[in-house]
Formats: sequence, structure tokens, C-alpha cells
Amino acid sequence: AQTVTQSQPEMSVQEAETVTLSCTYDTSESDYYLFWYKQPPSRQMILVIRQEAYKQQNATENRFSVNFQKAAKSFSLKISDSQLGDAAMYFCAYNTSGSRLTFGEGTQLTVNP
Amino acid sequence: DARVTQTPRHKVTEMGQEVTMRCQPILGHNTVFWYRQTMMQGLELLAYFRNRAPLDDSGMPKDRFSAEMPDATLATLKIQPSEPRDSAVYFCASGTDRRQPQHFGDGTRLSIL
Repeated sequence: AQTVTQSQPEMSVQEAETVTLSCTYDTSESDYYLFWYKQPPSRQMILVIRQEAYKQQNATENRFSVNFQKAAKSFSLKISDSQLGDAAMYFCAYNTSGSRLTFGEGTQLTVNP
Repeated sequence: DARVTQTPRHKVTEMGQEVTMRCQPILGHNTVFWYRQTMMQGLELLAYFRNRAPLDDSGMPKDRFSAEMPDATLATLKIQPSEPRDSAVYFCASGTDRRQPQHFGDGTRLSIL
């Protein structure tokens, strides 16, 4: 069975600093997709960034970037120039065959002013 | 922006009552998912449909939960009879294929007393 592990239940960062959230996954597939979703207190699930496993280039979206290590099955999220609005629960997710998402346990990010 | 619409946003009811949650997927999305979020289990897939046909409902307790998609614009999740352990946030999401991210509704916070 595919699993997704986020080993950091909580993280904190100072405003304007950089933080990295970790994620590892387990799969036997070679073609898959990885996502980071953000869930603020409003409980909306908001897509942050997406990575295609067949692409070696790491995805970036403005202040958000990933470090995708396919051999190590690692997919970490880096947030640069952290802002107060980045405070949220962050979920790493793996898209298995059939399009279903398997989520990690989540990392609660606090941004300190 | 197109959005997934879920109703109701909140529901409080007594155990034993029937609960119906509704979801309107984004127009043109052919895949609809139901997820449940709890503190203990995190985010877990209950069921999903493609082109209105159920593909997987293995995450649902079969004796009390049922999911249907009467037409392309409406998906429903019913619990009958409800139990306190069903208290959770239920999300509906829609998408097209596994390469694309799923779009989530705002969720239904369900409390069974």
C-alpha cells in the first residue's frame, strides 16, 4: 500500500525567513504525481504546488519550491520569505492510480512576527 | 473562479438521525471524491466516482454510509443512522485526471450528539 509520511507534526518560522517541510512516500509505481496542499484555519484545502514524478526539475511557484528526490522518495516543501498568511496545516499528498489522493499526517506551520 | 460547492457547511444532529451532505463539482470535472478528516485518522478517502459511476467505496462503512451521483452536477453522501464517531469534516473534491490537482469544497463539519 502506498503511504505518505510527514515526520514533523509542528514547525515554526520567523516572518521573512525560510522553512522546509519534509515528506516521504512509499510506492512501487514509476509514474505518479505529488502535491502539497495548505489548510488554513478556515479549513479550505488549497493547492500549493504540484510535481510530476517523470520530471527531474523541481517545481516552483513564487515563494514555494520543492526538493524532489525520486530515488529517496522524498518530496520536501520550501517556503521562502515566510509571511503571516503562510500559517496553516500543510499536507503532502500522493496521487495513486485511479486519481485518488493519499495524504500525509500534516505539518502545522506557525509563522512568528 | 470555478469552485466545488458543498452544503451544508455545518450540521449538528442527534445520533440515529439521517444526514445528507451534498456536493456540486466543478463543471467539466468528471471525477468526484469524498474525503473525511478527523484528528485521529487525518484525511481519508471514503469513495469516488468517475463519469458518475462509483469506482471505489472501500473506505466507507457499508452498513450506514452511501454515496451516489444522481447527475453530473450533484453528488451526495448519506449516513443512516448516524453515530457520534461519524463526527468529522467531510470534504468533496472534483478533478479530471490524475495529472491535475483535485479541487476541494469548503467541507461540511458534522457533529453527532
